[in-house]
Amino acid sequence: EVQLLESGGGLVQPGGSLRLSCVASGFTFSSYAMTWVRQAPGKGLEWVSGLVGSNGSPNYADSVKGRFTLSRDNSRNTLYLQMNSLRAEDTAVYYCAKDQIAGDGIWLMSQWGQGTLVTVS
Amino acid sequence: EIVLTQSPGTLSLSPGERATLSCRASQSVTGNFLAWYQQKPGQAPRLLIYDAFNRAAGIPDRFSGSGSGTDFTLTISRLEPEDFAVYYCHQYGRSPEVTFGQGTRLEIK
Repeated sequence: EVQLLESGGGLVQPGGSLRLSCVASGFTFSSYAMTWVRQAPGKGLEWVSGLVGSNGSPNYADSVKGRFTLSRDNSRNTLYLQMNSLRAEDTAVYYCAKDQIAGDGIWLMSQWGQGTLVTVS
Repeated sequence: EIVLTQSPGTLSLSPGERATLSCRASQSVTGNFLAWYQQKPGQAPRLLIYDAFNRAAGIPDRFSGSGSGTDFTLTISRLEPEDFAVYYCHQYGRSPEVTFGQGTRLEIK
């Protein structure tokens, strides 16, 4: 069974930093592209960043480019999102999600974690 | 960036009725790479439909997707109580510039 467990959220002041983690299990982590999607309170879904399984460069939404850094440690089955220069508008639940098929990312998120809340205030 | 516009914003129906949700894209969706997700309060989104009309694993056959190009539809043939939720469309592909619609809230009438 695929499991994705996010952690690292919390309350941070504007301009501060947080690092989110997503520990994966139940599949060959290194073979799949992984994504972060966020959802502001009462709002819709916003794609934040994605990274293919190996030997790829991260991609970012314009809203976070230059402030967020996505990385992965395939030996630890873990995806990271380093968030710097946080703003009030970054307040959201951040979901980690797995691509549906192995290989190059198609950014179709078939399984999601339960999310971690980031509050910038 | 492809903008997805969902309609209606809110749909009020009764159990047993048929629900039709629309998703319109600002330009043609490459390869009809269009998905639908269901989200209930306090839960993560769940993949229902991908590639416009394929049901994800474990999704009941009362859910169906159709459409191509710029116009897509999610149909729920007979609403069950557990189907009342928010539904999002999502376009994807090899480009990382994926986008979501703003959502349709399906509520009990």
